[in-house]
Amino acid sequence: GAGVSQTPSNKVTEKGKYVELRCDPISGHTALYWYRQSLGQGPEFLIYFQGTGAADDSGLPNDRFFAVRPEGSVSTLKIQRTERGDSAVYLCASSLMPGLSGANVLTFGAGSRLTVL
Amino acid sequence: RKEVEQDPGPFNVPEGATVAFNCTYSNSASQSFFWYRQDCRKEPKLLMSVYSSGNEDGRFTAQLNRASQYISLLIRDSKLSDSATYLCVVMGGNNRKLIWGLGTSLAVNP
Repeated sequence: GAGVSQTPSNKVTEKGKYVELRCDPISGHTALYWYRQSLGQGPEFLIYFQGTGAADDSGLPNDRFFAVRPEGSVSTLKIQRTERGDSAVYLCASSLMPGLSGANVLTFGAGSRLTVL
Repeated sequence: RKEVEQDPGPFNVPEGATVAFNCTYSNSASQSFFWYRQDCRKEPKLLMSVYSSGNEDGRFTAQLNRASQYISLLIRDSKLSDSATYLCVVMGGNNRKLIWGLGTSLAVNP
């Protein structure tokens, strides 16, 4: 697509529920990133995919968080047993394959705002 | 010490003013540097990459000082539309993880 698309744009859920957030990156971008941003903070790295594989998942806060990218395009961030502290904007970004000109530049989606009550 | 540090501001300046933001980073092996702009409740968007030789884009000038490990952003002739949060971003030398500063808030007043 023309840009990075994230759905849903807003999600309100109850504590303990399961949530899935979807990211559709720019066509041709092999690198995909998930970040989490709380109010007044910079984006916090969660996970980075290169193709289908998670090249770096060191930012996932705990085992309730999991992300997949089975076909190397769309990615889903999954949060189990949500807690109030998970409330944040979850940002997805994509970029070109490493080594290509401009590969270090990320294009972000508009984010999915998650509120856990 | 945080890996990337910025003065959070807020910076309140009148239209037409020149304003400068600084950012320091701790990893001397860092390779790539960027300034992103984020409007309220919007996603970050790339403002400009920062090159060793310094670079300019219209009213915006970015500079990198590797010896002192800091990056700067200068905005000349500030416009109301420049009001936003400016995020300093550093990419490590051996991995592709971007390290983000907390951002500097700018408010340009009429």
